[in-house]
Amino acid sequence: DQQVKQNSPSLSVQEGRISILNCDYTNSMFDYFLWYKKYPAEGPTFLISISSIKDKNEDGRFTVFLNKSAKHLSLHIVPSQPGDSAVYFCAASPRRTDSWGKLQFGAGTQVVVTP
Amino acid sequence: NAGVTQTPKFRVLKTGQSMTLLCAQDMNHEYMYWYRQDPGMGLRLIHYSVGEGTTAKGEVPDGYNVSRLKKQNFLLGLESAAPSQTSVYFCASSPGTGYGYTFGSGTRLTVV
Repeated sequence: DQQVKQNSPSLSVQEGRISILNCDYTNSMFDYFLWYKKYPAEGPTFLISISSIKDKNEDGRFTVFLNKSAKHLSLHIVPSQPGDSAVYFCAASPRRTDSWGKLQFGAGTQVVVTP
Repeated sequence: NAGVTQTPKFRVLKTGQSMTLLCAQDMNHEYMYWYRQDPGMGLRLIHYSVGEGTTAKGEVPDGYNVSRLKKQNFLLGLESAAPSQTSVYFCASSPGTGYGYTFGSGTRLTVV
Protein backbone atom coordinates (compact mmCIF):
# COMPACT_ATOMS: atom_id res chain seq x y z
CA ASP A 1 0.00 0.00 0.00
CA GLN A 2 1.77 3.11 -1.24
CA GLN A 3 1.64 5.91 1.28
CA VAL A 4 3.16 8.44 -1.11
CA LYS A 5 1.39 8.82 -4.41
CA GLN A 6 2.27 10.67 -7.56
CA ASN A 7 -0.77 10.22 -9.74
CA SER A 8 0.64 11.80 -12.88
CA PRO A 9 3.20 9.48 -14.47
CA SER A 10 4.20 12.11 -17.01
CA LEU A 11 4.10 15.84 -17.67
CA SER A 12 4.98 17.74 -20.82
CA VAL A 13 5.67 21.48 -20.59
CA GLN A 14 7.03 24.14 -22.90
CA GLU A 15 10.36 25.75 -22.17
CA GLY A 16 9.88 28.90 -20.14
CA ARG A 17 6.54 27.84 -18.70
CA ILE A 18 5.77 26.59 -15.20
CA SER A 19 5.95 22.89 -14.33
CA ILE A 20 3.73 21.78 -11.47
CA LEU A 21 4.25 18.33 -10.01
CA ASN A 22 1.85 16.95 -7.43
CA CYS A 23 2.22 14.46 -4.61
CA ASP A 24 -0.32 13.12 -2.11
CA TYR A 25 0.36 11.16 1.05
CA THR A 26 -1.80 9.15 3.39
CA ASN A 27 0.31 8.79 6.54
CA SER A 28 -0.46 11.65 8.94
CA MET A 29 2.85 10.93 10.74
CA PHE A 30 4.84 12.16 7.74
CA ASP A 31 6.32 15.55 8.45
CA TYR A 32 9.47 15.78 6.37
CA PHE A 33 9.13 15.87 2.61
CA LEU A 34 11.67 15.87 -0.18
CA TRP A 35 11.83 15.99 -3.94
CA TYR A 36 14.45 14.10 -5.90
CA LYS A 37 15.37 14.40 -9.57
CA LYS A 38 16.62 11.47 -11.61
CA TYR A 39 18.25 11.37 -15.02
CA PRO A 40 18.49 8.08 -16.97
CA ALA A 41 21.29 5.75 -15.82
CA GLU A 42 21.97 7.93 -12.77
CA GLY A 43 20.88 7.79 -9.16
CA PRO A 44 18.30 10.24 -7.80
CA THR A 45 19.71 13.55 -6.60
CA PHE A 46 18.25 15.69 -3.85
CA LEU A 47 16.40 18.76 -5.10
CA ILE A 48 14.49 20.46 -2.30
CA SER A 49 12.84 19.62 1.00
CA ILE A 50 10.24 21.00 3.37
CA SER A 51 9.42 20.42 6.99
CA SER A 52 5.85 20.31 8.23
CA ILE A 53 6.37 23.49 10.22
CA LYS A 54 6.49 25.38 6.91
CA ASP A 55 4.06 25.61 4.02
CA LYS A 56 6.53 26.86 1.42
CA ASN A 57 10.22 26.53 0.65
CA GLU A 58 12.06 28.12 -2.26
CA ASP A 59 15.39 27.41 -3.84
CA GLY A 60 16.02 29.34 -7.04
CA ARG A 61 13.60 28.14 -9.73
CA PHE A 62 12.20 25.44 -7.46
CA THR A 63 9.45 25.96 -4.88
CA VAL A 64 7.74 23.29 -2.82
CA PHE A 65 4.34 23.92 -1.26
CA LEU A 66 2.89 21.84 1.55
CA ASN A 67 -0.80 21.62 2.44
CA LYS A 68 -0.93 19.49 5.57
CA SER A 69 -4.70 19.50 5.92
CA ALA A 70 -5.04 18.10 2.40
CA LYS A 71 -1.95 15.84 2.77
CA HIS A 72 -0.69 17.29 -0.46
CA LEU A 73 2.53 18.83 -1.68
CA SER A 74 3.56 20.24 -4.99
CA LEU A 75 6.77 21.23 -6.72
CA HIS A 76 6.81 24.27 -8.98
CA ILE A 77 9.59 24.81 -11.49
CA VAL A 78 9.67 28.33 -12.96
CA PRO A 79 10.77 28.81 -15.66
CA SER A 80 11.14 25.27 -16.97
CA GLN A 81 14.33 24.53 -18.89
CA PRO A 82 15.29 21.61 -21.17
CA GLY A 83 17.72 20.37 -18.51
CA ASP A 84 14.76 19.89 -16.18
CA SER A 85 13.62 16.91 -18.28
CA ALA A 86 13.93 14.04 -15.81
CA VAL A 87 11.93 11.83 -13.48
CA TYR A 88 10.92 13.56 -10.23
CA PHE A 89 10.28 11.55 -7.09
CA CYS A 90 8.38 12.79 -4.08
CA ALA A 91 9.52 11.29 -0.76
CA ALA A 92 8.37 11.52 2.84
CA SER A 93 9.52 10.47 6.27
CA PRO A 94 7.81 10.32 9.64
CA ARG A 95 9.83 11.98 12.39
CA ARG A 96 8.44 10.61 15.57
CA THR A 97 8.13 6.89 14.93
CA ASP A 98 10.50 3.98 14.54
CA SER A 99 10.43 4.72 10.82
CA TRP A 100 12.19 8.03 11.37
CA GLY A 101 14.81 8.58 8.71
CA LYS A 102 13.48 5.98 6.28
CA LEU A 103 12.13 7.71 3.22
CA GLN A 104 9.08 6.44 1.37
CA PHE A 105 8.96 7.34 -2.30
CA GLY A 106 6.25 7.95 -4.82
CA ALA A 107 6.27 6.26 -8.23
CA GLY A 108 7.75 9.30 -9.96
CA THR A 109 6.65 11.78 -12.62
CA GLN A 110 8.49 11.96 -15.95
CA VAL A 111 8.85 15.61 -16.97
CA VAL A 112 9.60 16.51 -20.58
CA VAL A 113 10.41 20.13 -21.36
CA THR A 114 9.92 20.92 -25.03
CA PRO A 115 11.51 23.83 -26.91
CA ASN B 1 34.79 12.28 -6.30
CA ALA B 2 33.09 11.96 -2.93
CA GLY B 3 29.85 10.06 -2.95
CA VAL B 4 28.28 6.65 -3.14
CA THR B 5 29.75 4.03 -5.45
CA GLN B 6 27.91 0.89 -6.50
CA THR B 7 29.44 -2.16 -8.16
CA PRO B 8 28.68 -3.76 -10.52
CA LYS B 9 26.63 -1.45 -12.74
CA PHE B 10 25.05 -4.27 -14.73
CA ARG B 11 24.63 -7.98 -14.14
CA VAL B 12 22.70 -10.86 -15.66
CA LEU B 13 22.05 -13.86 -13.45
CA LYS B 14 20.45 -17.20 -14.03
CA THR B 15 17.65 -18.27 -11.71
CA GLY B 16 19.12 -19.81 -8.58
CA GLN B 17 22.51 -18.12 -8.82
CA SER B 18 23.82 -15.94 -6.05
CA MET B 19 25.56 -12.60 -6.08
CA THR B 20 26.58 -9.66 -3.90
CA LEU B 21 26.10 -6.00 -4.71
CA LEU B 22 28.62 -3.68 -3.12
CA CYS B 23 27.96 -0.14 -1.96
CA ALA B 24 30.75 2.10 -0.72
CA GLN B 25 30.50 5.67 0.60
CA ASP B 26 33.31 8.03 1.55
CA MET B 27 31.29 10.70 3.36
CA ASN B 28 31.47 9.08 6.79
CA HIS B 29 27.69 8.70 6.80
CA GLU B 30 26.13 6.63 9.57
CA TYR B 31 23.04 5.49 7.73
CA MET B 32 22.97 3.38 4.58
CA TYR B 33 20.06 1.98 2.57
CA TRP B 34 19.27 -0.40 -0.26
CA TYR B 35 16.28 0.37 -2.51
CA ARG B 36 14.92 -1.26 -5.59
CA GLN B 37 13.18 0.62 -8.37
CA ASP B 38 10.51 -1.04 -10.47
CA PRO B 39 8.26 0.56 -13.11
CA GLY B 40 5.23 2.24 -11.55
CA MET B 41 6.38 1.37 -8.03
CA GLY B 42 8.87 4.08 -7.17
CA LEU B 43 11.74 3.16 -4.89
CA ARG B 44 11.08 0.54 -2.22
CA LEU B 45 13.31 0.02 0.78
CA ILE B 46 14.87 -3.45 1.02
CA HIS B 47 17.20 -3.19 4.05
CA TYR B 48 18.93 -0.41 5.88
CA SER B 49 21.64 0.17 8.47
CA VAL B 50 21.93 2.86 11.13
CA GLY B 51 25.57 2.15 11.88
CA GLU B 52 28.47 -0.25 11.54
CA GLY B 53 27.45 -3.76 12.52
CA THR B 54 23.70 -3.03 12.44
CA THR B 55 21.10 -3.95 9.84
CA ALA B 56 17.31 -3.90 9.71
CA LYS B 57 14.55 -4.95 7.34
CA GLY B 58 12.75 -2.49 5.14
CA GLU B 59 9.57 -2.79 3.13
CA VAL B 60 10.57 -5.66 0.78
CA PRO B 61 13.35 -7.69 2.49
CA ASP B 62 12.43 -11.22 1.38
CA GLY B 63 15.09 -12.94 -0.72
CA TYR B 64 17.84 -10.49 0.29
CA ASN B 65 20.46 -10.34 3.01
CA VAL B 66 22.77 -7.49 3.97
CA SER B 67 25.90 -6.88 5.97
CA ARG B 68 27.66 -3.76 7.26
CA LEU B 69 30.99 -4.93 8.63
CA LYS B 70 32.63 -1.59 7.91
CA LYS B 71 31.03 1.83 8.21
CA GLN B 72 31.77 2.74 4.61
CA ASN B 73 30.44 -0.46 3.01
CA PHE B 74 26.96 -1.92 2.77
CA LEU B 75 26.58 -5.25 0.95
CA LEU B 76 23.35 -6.63 -0.52
CA GLY B 77 23.25 -10.36 -1.17
CA LEU B 78 20.93 -12.52 -3.22
CA GLU B 79 21.33 -16.14 -2.17
CA SER B 80 19.12 -17.70 -4.87
CA ALA B 81 18.10 -15.22 -7.53
CA ALA B 82 14.56 -15.23 -8.91
CA PRO B 83 13.13 -13.44 -11.98
CA SER B 84 11.05 -11.29 -9.59
CA GLN B 85 14.33 -9.76 -8.42
CA THR B 86 14.97 -8.24 -11.84
CA SER B 87 15.18 -4.55 -10.99
CA VAL B 88 17.40 -1.54 -10.65
CA TYR B 89 19.02 -1.42 -7.22
CA PHE B 90 20.07 1.83 -5.58
CA CYS B 91 22.21 2.29 -2.54
CA ALA B 92 21.98 5.50 -0.54
CA SER B 93 23.56 7.01 2.53
CA SER B 94 22.77 9.85 4.92
CA PRO B 95 24.43 11.49 7.92
CA GLY B 96 21.45 10.60 10.09
CA THR B 97 17.78 11.26 10.57
CA GLY B 98 16.36 14.45 9.14
CA TYR B 99 18.74 14.56 6.20
CA GLY B 100 18.25 13.72 2.57
CA TYR B 101 20.01 10.80 0.98
CA THR B 102 22.96 10.64 -1.38
CA PHE B 103 22.35 7.90 -3.94
CA GLY B 104 24.66 5.76 -5.99
CA SER B 105 24.16 5.45 -9.74
CA GLY B 106 22.43 2.08 -9.49
CA THR B 107 22.90 -1.56 -10.47
CA ARG B 108 20.70 -2.98 -13.20
CA LEU B 109 20.12 -6.65 -12.44
CA THR B 110 18.38 -9.07 -14.78
CA VAL B 111 17.50 -12.58 -13.63
CA VAL B 112 16.69 -14.99 -16.44
